Amino acid sequence: GAGVSQSPSNKVTEKGKDVELRCDPISGHTALYWYRQRLGQGLEFLIYFQGNSAPDKSGLPSDRFSAERTGESVSTLTIQRTQQEDSAVYLCASSPQTAGVSPNYGYTFGSGTRLTVV
Amino acid sequence: GDSVTQMEGPVTLSEEAFLTINCTYTATGYPSLFWYVQYPGEGLQLLLKATKADDKGSNKGFEATYRKETTSFHLEKGSVQVSDSAVYFCALNRDDKIIFGKGTRLHILP
Repeated sequence: GAGVSQSPSNKVTEKGKDVELRCDPISGHTALYWYRQRLGQGLEFLIYFQGNSAPDKSGLPSDRFSAERTGESVSTLTIQRTQQEDSAVYLCASSPQTAGVSPNYGYTFGSGTRLTVV
Repeated sequence: GDSVTQMEGPVTLSEEAFLTINCTYTATGYPSLFWYVQYPGEGLQLLLKATKADDKGSNKGFEATYRKETTSFHLEKGSVQVSDSAVYFCALNRDDKIIFGKGTRLHILP
């Protein structure tokens, strides 16, 4: 597609339920990132994928969070047993290469999924 | 660890005013520096970047200069417009990740 597509755009879930968030990156972008943006806070890095390499999961806040990506295509972020503190906007971004390899590319962000845990 | 600190908002200015949004960073080595912008209802967009000391990034009338001696990357614009109202994020790259500041919300009054 022309841009990074995320779905759903909004999700309201009950505490304790599992949720899946989807990111469809720009075709051909090998790097894919997930960030979390809590109200009034900056972007918090969660995880990134680069091609077929092992993902960098260093930003995942707990073992309730996991993410998958098949090849260089769609990624899903799963939050199990959601808690109220998980409420945030979850942003996905993709890039032709990782920032460390070529920072000139920057990232292309999706519009995010607003998650509300009630 | 590496971090970015930017001035807290919101910043409210009148149209045609001069804008400065301060940003300082802490990092080992010499990271690349970025400004991203998030317009209402839209995703983050790369506004400008600088990859080495003394580089000046510029776009849409905005400028920022990579100052190694003061570890700063302040965003400036000579004459702001209502359409510049947005949230601005300063950022740096480290180990294949981009680390963002908390963002500064800018309101421009007509």
